[in-house]
Amino acid sequence: DTGVSQDPRHKITKRGQNVTFRCDPISEHNRLYWYRQTLGQGPEFLTYFQNEAQLEKSRLLSDRFSAERPKGSFSTLEIQRTEQGDSAMYLCASSLIRVGANYGYTFGSGTRLTVV
Amino acid sequence: AQKITQTQPGMFVQEKEAVTLDCTYDTSDQSYGLFWYKQPSSGEMIFLIYQGSYDEQNATEGRYSLNFQKARKSANLVISASQLGDSAMYFCAMSFSFGNEKLTFGTGTRLTIIP
Repeated sequence: DTGVSQDPRHKITKRGQNVTFRCDPISEHNRLYWYRQTLGQGPEFLTYFQNEAQLEKSRLLSDRFSAERPKGSFSTLEIQRTEQGDSAMYLCASSLIRVGANYGYTFGSGTRLTVV
Repeated sequence: AQKITQTQPGMFVQEKEAVTLDCTYDTSDQSYGLFWYKQPSSGEMIFLIYQGSYDEQNATEGRYSLNFQKARKSANLVISASQLGDSAMYFCAMSFSFGNEKLTFGTGTRLTIIP
């Protein structure tokens, strides 16, 4: 198992374009999370899935953002009509639910988005 | 709502010295988890240590220990015998229940180890 993989590592796009990021979690993990991290800040929660079900979405996730996790495996995060304020690091994490577990998530290395 | 406060934007520490990174939190929940993560320049968030709100003993993981003071709502990270590779951003975070829920992060502390 190589951990959580995110693709691409870096993305530069023009304002108004659509972008899609991919996250491949650890295979046996049933939960998958997306976070956004802007410069000088800690990560902020966007949304999470349990298997293929999207259980919670932050109010940070505007209508231009959509996330999917078909078949409960990999996940995609799409941003439509990108704005300069979308420039950030997008982090994916996965975890395995265990009652009383004391593990943190396993994070990927992130996708750094720059909107010009 | 949960809130994490890290009041040290940056710290410089001599190699081999111990360092304490401060973290205070605010929550009205009784069951919660506290985490520390390390983020090197590569960007990946690396899990360091966890403390559950009902754990009576302070958590330890190798050179890392968490000084948990529940009444003061404090969860400071102590790194013993610092190494050059410890230079990174450090984030305190909390979650509801015992993890595997969404995390609320602080703004982080940039730790620089001086040779």
